[in-house]
Amino acid sequence: AQSVTQPDIHITVSEGASLELRCNYSYGATPYLFWYVQSPGQGLQLLLKYFSGDTLVQGIKGFEAEFKRSQSSFNLRKPSVHWSDAAEYFCAVGAEGGGADGLTFGKGTHLIIQP
Amino acid sequence: GAVVSQHPSWVICKSGTSVKIECRSLDFQATTMFWYRQFPKQSLMLMATSNEGSKATYEQGVEKDKFLINHASLTLSTLTVTSAHPEDSSFYICSAGDFQAFFGQGTRLTVV
Repeated sequence: AQSVTQPDIHITVSEGASLELRCNYSYGATPYLFWYVQSPGQGLQLLLKYFSGDTLVQGIKGFEAEFKRSQSSFNLRKPSVHWSDAAEYFCAVGAEGGGADGLTFGKGTHLIIQP
Repeated sequence: GAVVSQHPSWVICKSGTSVKIECRSLDFQATTMFWYRQFPKQSLMLMATSNEGSKATYEQGVEKDKFLINHASLTLSTLTVTSAHPEDSSFYICSAGDFQAFFGQGTRLTVV
């Protein structure tokens, strides 16, 4: 069975500083990987996804993520965070066929931005 | 861009009553939609896969008689929580679109 681990429950970053949110996955075949952001009381917004090809994926809002098969990781990065980036971030993995089955989500990382 | 809309955004109901939540794809057709449940400060857990014109596929541990799913058209899936109890209080979210790119804004259900 597939699983996702987000080791950091909370992360605090100063506005303007760089950000890296960690995600490790467990899946037997080629994974389909996603990062979503959720503001309080809201649904999820897709930031980026990886299916194949270039392991560095660019997303919306200045985010990027790098797929590292050897480390089973798909960490999310942003070079300079803004106060509006404060939210809950979820990493998710899907089976090959990407979306024909439901996704397995990590527990999420709560991002706090310090002024 | 494509949008998935859920209605209502929040609902309060009495214990023992039923509540229907709608999930609509506004500008695309979705043969498959997904229903998730999210407990406070927790992750999303897949409840079921809604298939247009056929029965939904439920995840292990999800009571299909309690959480009725109907996907009668290519743009609408409904989740009905039957005989709701306080433990059913939660945040319910649907998704649709290629590779589940689009999520609804969620429905906060409170059973009193």
